[in-house]
Amino acid sequence: AQSVAQPEDQVNVAEGNPLTVKCTYSVSGNPYLFWYVQYPNRGLQFLLKYITGDNLVKGSYGFEAEFNKSQTSFHLKKPSALVSDSALYFCAVRDILKAAGNKLTFGGGTRVLVKP
Amino acid sequence: GAGVSQSPRYKVAKRGQDVALRCDPISGHVSLFWYQQALGQGPEFLTYFQNEAQLDKSGLPSDRFFAERPEGSVSTLKIQRTQQEDSAVYLCASSASGQGISPYNEQFFGPGTRLTVL
Repeated sequence: AQSVAQPEDQVNVAEGNPLTVKCTYSVSGNPYLFWYVQYPNRGLQFLLKYITGDNLVKGSYGFEAEFNKSQTSFHLKKPSALVSDSALYFCAVRDILKAAGNKLTFGGGTRVLVKP
Repeated sequence: GAGVSQSPRYKVAKRGQDVALRCDPISGHVSLFWYQQALGQGPEFLTYFQNEAQLDKSGLPSDRFFAERPEGSVSTLKIQRTQQEDSAVYLCASSASGQGISPYNEQFFGPGTRLTVL
């Protein structure tokens, strides 16, 4: 079975400071990893994904994430946070094994609050 | 259309009523997913279609939940005899990926239907 853990319910950061949102995963095979952001009363918006190749993945709105296979982590980062980055962030994993199907398994989410 | 659309956006049902939630995926997307998101939690998988075939329904919580995609485009999630524990946001997602097709594509989500069962 696949699973995702986001250990922090909320992250507070001052505008202009670096932002990190943590994610660890567990899969049987190799993982496909995704980050999504959710604003109030809206669906999930795709930020970035790791499939293979470079461990550092760049995505939308200046976000990036680093895949670390030995630590089974995929932390989301942004060098300089904006107030508009305040939202709910979800990490998700899909197992590459065909038997696992195409579904995404999500973490519980991390609320990011960026203060001016 | 430009994205995944869902209707209605909000639904209030009395306990015991049947409800039907509609999803219009991105045109041409092979795969369609339904997820349930309880308040304060991450989305949880319900079911998956590739074209009109329902390939995975392992996440449906009970036989009161039923989903269909008869022509391989629009999908309907039906909940019979709703219970209070069914209150949640129901998210639909579509993807260009599918079995035998490049598996790398991300899922695109609709805005969700917020179901409240009184």
